[in-house]
Amino acid sequence: QMRLEQSGAEVKKPGAAVKVSCKSFGYTFTGYYMHWVRQAPGQGLEWVGRINPSSGDTTYAQKFQDRVIMTRETSIRTAYMELSSLRPDDTAIYYCARINDWNDAFDLWGQGTLVIVSS
Amino acid sequence: DIQMTQSPSSLSASVGDRVSINCRTSQNINTSLNWYQQRPGKAPKLLIYAASTLESGVPSRFSGSGSGTDFTLTITSLQAEDYVSYYCQHSGSTVTFGGGTKVEIK
Repeated sequence: QMRLEQSGAEVKKPGAAVKVSCKSFGYTFTGYYMHWVRQAPGQGLEWVGRINPSSGDTTYAQKFQDRVIMTRETSIRTAYMELSSLRPDDTAIYYCARINDWNDAFDLWGQGTLVIVSS
Repeated sequence: DIQMTQSPSSLSASVGDRVSINCRTSQNINTSLNWYQQRPGKAPKLLIYAASTLESGVPSRFSGSGSGTDFTLTITSLQAEDYVSYYCQHSGSTVTFGGGTKVEIK
């Protein structure tokens, strides 16, 4: 059964960093790009960036360019997203999602990780 | 970067109605457009890819059309479980989502 399993909710203070993990099951981890998408409360979906789990190459949305780092550990089939210099408006659910490269669509999503930034 | 304008942001309809949701892009993307459904508290679910291809397991009352810059998601005969949110999405050098459409009960 293919699935993505994310780490649990986090509460952080402004200025801190958060690192969210996404572990894959049931498919070849290095065969599909992994993306991160966030959703603020009551808002739409916002793309954060992606990582090629095979090479480690990353592409980030310009908005997050200087604050986000995406990494992976292939031995444990896990991708990570670290967001630093957190602000209250970073409060959101962060999803990892696999993109299927033959149709460029997100066909597998994690359950989401709630990150709350509050003093 | 490609901009995506999704409309309407919300709509009210009755069970059994036919509804359409539109997505307009700032550049020609051929048919590289996907549609997702999102239930409250859940991750998005792929409904349609490549503008008009129904994902496996998705009911046939959902359909997609369009190419170039204008796309439409149509739900014929709206069901109770369809009163949720929908998003269009394009993957290029970066990824862009439409602003979303919330379908509400009339």
